[in-house]
Amino acid sequence: GAVVSQHPSWVICKSGTSVKIECRSLDFQATTMFWYRQFPKQSLMLMATSNEGSKATYEQGVEKDKFLINHASLTLSTLTVTSAHPEDSSFYICSARDTWGDTEAFFGQGTRLTVV
Amino acid sequence: KQEVTQIPAALSVPEGENLVLNCSFTDSAIYNLQWFRQDPGKGLTSLLLIQSSQREQTSGRLNASLDKSSGRSTLYIAASQPGDSATYLCAVLNTGGFKTIFGAGTRLFVKA
Repeated sequence: GAVVSQHPSWVICKSGTSVKIECRSLDFQATTMFWYRQFPKQSLMLMATSNEGSKATYEQGVEKDKFLINHASLTLSTLTVTSAHPEDSSFYICSARDTWGDTEAFFGQGTRLTVV
Repeated sequence: KQEVTQIPAALSVPEGENLVLNCSFTDSAIYNLQWFRQDPGKGLTSLLLIQSSQREQTSGRLNASLDKSSGRSTLYIAASQPGDSATYLCAVLNTGGFKTIFGAGTRLFVKA
């Protein structure tokens, strides 16, 4: 099956610094990727839709200047958490759809972000 | 706005029991519905994907059904095992915007 690789799997950073998370589709092209956030014991909440070559679409309540998304190629989207604070500590997961496939979305393994 | 609800929120059963997890969604305009498993602190493992035109899918001890018109899906787990202990998430892919919307999950604990 299609594989989505997310890196890093975990990261600890100091408050005020920025962290970049990568999401790669390894064996397919993904025009569209999605970023989710999951707080402890809660479900996944869609943050934004990442579109190759254009601006991301953010869900209501998600700060676009804080969560920068870049989808510069058909296989890579990045999420940068800028000026991270402890409340940004969460589990971030990306998903990608095969541009030439059906509607199934494939998910990365997630990134555990801890801001201290 | 699509809303996905899962019942029960948590379930504890003895090993060997057959069990049913429920998922309901408010907007029937979906491409598909997918069941995932998530172990603590881990990512998602896709279990079953049901296209909107399908009624059910089976994989091993798992069977998922879909009634799109009533906005319901069930995940049936036969002969449960301690290794089945995890959180089970139901998610629907909306036709509008290709967004996948998740339910809050059912936390399952199977006692040996």
